Amino acid sequence: SQTIHQWPATLVQPVGSPLSLECTVEGTSNPNLYWYRQAAGRGLQLLFYSVGIGQISSEVPQNLSASRPQDRQFILSSKKLLLSDSGFYLCAWTQGTGRSDTQYFGPGTRLTVL
Amino acid sequence: AQSVTQPDIHITVSEGASLELRCNYSYGATPYLFWYVQSPGQGLQLLLKYFSGDTLVQGIKGFEAEFKRSQSSFNLRKPSVHWSDAAEYFCAVGAQTSNQFYFGTGTSLTVIP
Repeated sequence: SQTIHQWPATLVQPVGSPLSLECTVEGTSNPNLYWYRQAAGRGLQLLFYSVGIGQISSEVPQNLSASRPQDRQFILSSKKLLLSDSGFYLCAWTQGTGRSDTQYFGPGTRLTVL
Repeated sequence: AQSVTQPDIHITVSEGASLELRCNYSYGATPYLFWYVQSPGQGLQLLLKYFSGDTLVQGIKGFEAEFKRSQSSFNLRKPSVHWSDAAEYFCAVGAQTSNQFYFGTGTSLTVIP
């Protein structure tokens, strides 16, 4: 069966520091991968999605970036964190069928920027 | 443009009472429709989904939803709410011809004894 992992689970970082969040999927190949951010009491904001290695689509311009170095690995990064980057970051995957099949979510990473 | 609206930001129901969470969507073609539930500090768990066929779909934990094309709605229902159902609920729409997903802003459910 497929599983999705995210780490770290929680992270506290100072303003201006770099960020690297990792997401990996097991048990499938060629998945579509997504990064969402959920601010406190808010809905989900799609940040990036990827349909293949090295292919990244950005939905919201900001100081974050994403990379997909391997088929089942998706990384969210920042060179300098802002206070507004605080939130709950969720990674999700779908089967890469060219249509919006069911999304399966990871457990999330709670990021607090101080 | 595609969008999903959940008109109720917060709902409070008594344990044992029935529940209906509203979801309206805007999409130019036949959508794929989903309901997810999120407990505090957790990821999203799929409750149910509609792709085609019978417009009344059954999900996990006793939930069901009905797709009404004429009303562009996909409301979630449960006949008798349990205290453990307290959570955030998200409606989402996907496309048959793209990889895009659109989520509503969520409805927070409180269950009182």
